Amino acid sequence: QKEVEQNSGPLSVPEGAIASLNCTYSDRGSQSFFWYRQYSGKSPELIMFIYSNGDKEDGRFTAQLNKASQYVSLLIRDSQPSDSATYLCAVARSGGGADGLTFGKGTHLIIQP
Amino acid sequence: DTAVSQTPKYLVTQMGNDKSIKCEQNLGHDTMYWYKQDSKKFLKIMFSYNNKELIINETVPNRFSPKSPDKAHLNLHINSLELGDSAVYFCATRGGGGETQYFGPGTRLLVL
Repeated sequence: QKEVEQNSGPLSVPEGAIASLNCTYSDRGSQSFFWYRQYSGKSPELIMFIYSNGDKEDGRFTAQLNKASQYVSLLIRDSQPSDSATYLCAVARSGGGADGLTFGKGTHLIIQP
Repeated sequence: DTAVSQTPKYLVTQMGNDKSIKCEQNLGHDTMYWYKQDSKKFLKIMFSYNNKELIINETVPNRFSPKSPDKAHLNLHINSLELGDSAVYFCATRGGGGETQYFGPGTRLLVL
């Protein structure tokens, strides 16, 4: 059973600080890793994806991947109240093609003004 | 112009009924999916369609059947609805050579 694990939170971070979200996955054959943000009552929207070990930066967001440790994280710098949402870690199954994503249960992030 | 649309947005129905949820995309993507998000917000894939062929079929009851009349549409038929089917159902698409999936707005199904 392929699994993606996240701490459900809530994770409370003061405005302006760095929010750190973590995720582990069980399938060593996983090739692609995604972070989605979901506001209450809305659909998931892609924040970042990462394929290679190391860091990938996009604005205030940095994704980090360590395939040896089967660990992926998302850092949000200069956190804003609008960043308050549930963050879903997702993994593309090995085999590529049309395989769907396996999601974690999400971390609820609260940015305190 | 909405890239991925779903109808209806809300669906309230009685146990035992048969219902359908429709999904349409204008992105020209080859692959479409149905996901179920339960009351605990756990998002789980149900089906995947690629060029009108079912690629994966998770362990969902056979009361659920995806139908793709053409590349732009993937509908979800549910027979004999049960209380446990209450959830938000999301359609998603993937294409352009990448693995990024784009989600529709969701259909909130409530079975009474």
